[in-house]
Amino acid sequence: SQQGEEDPQALSIQEGENATMNCSYKTSINNLQWYRQNSGRGLVHLILIRSNEREKHSGRLRVTLDTSKKSSSLLITASRAADTASYFCATDAKKDSSYKLIFGSGTRLLVRP
Amino acid sequence: DSGVTQTPKHLITATGQRVTLRCSPRSGDLSVYWYQQSLDQGLQFLIQYYNGEERAKGNILERFSAQQFPDLHSELNLSSLELGDSALYFCASSVGQVYEQFFGPGTRLTVL
Repeated sequence: SQQGEEDPQALSIQEGENATMNCSYKTSINNLQWYRQNSGRGLVHLILIRSNEREKHSGRLRVTLDTSKKSSSLLITASRAADTASYFCATDAKKDSSYKLIFGSGTRLLVRP
Repeated sequence: DSGVTQTPKHLITATGQRVTLRCSPRSGDLSVYWYQQSLDQGLQFLIQYYNGEERAKGNILERFSAQQFPDLHSELNLSSLELGDSALYFCASSVGQVYEQFFGPGTRLTVL
């Protein structure tokens, strides 16, 4: 089963509005990452937030992490048409000495010009 | 451009065939990861190599295998292909294990 699940599955907003996407996960993590994927292309890393951090900013992106609720949110401010993409959260899963990222199912964001 | 390269970009083949997908990681990255992305399964982690050694396994079928060579490039071998293997296959690399991953452009595999 997926470690991370994004909500909503799809989001349509007007250019200039803010977009908020949420991610919930099941087990304890070391860090949580957000990625963007334009249709049919490779994923692009946006931001990494560690388990001891509560908020992180990068340009128009703001990520929060609430480990007590096992949830994270990604806020994109002043959205642009170029922000249209799918957004995935990814959490680390450590087993023995191995480590892997588990991706959620993603939120499809459409920014209307 | 992430610095990760994948070849080929597109691959069309028939059921029962075998294909090899190739990935070159970013310069300096020791970890290589393989993912499969399909419409119904989402992005699924397949396998990870670190400096030539297998480090983690995900939902990789027995018909699939991978390796990382001394020059750190990696190959994913898919055999006895089935229609359901049609998907985008991504390679990603990172410096170590607990870091952000850089994804290649993917190989789109179509099994007819």
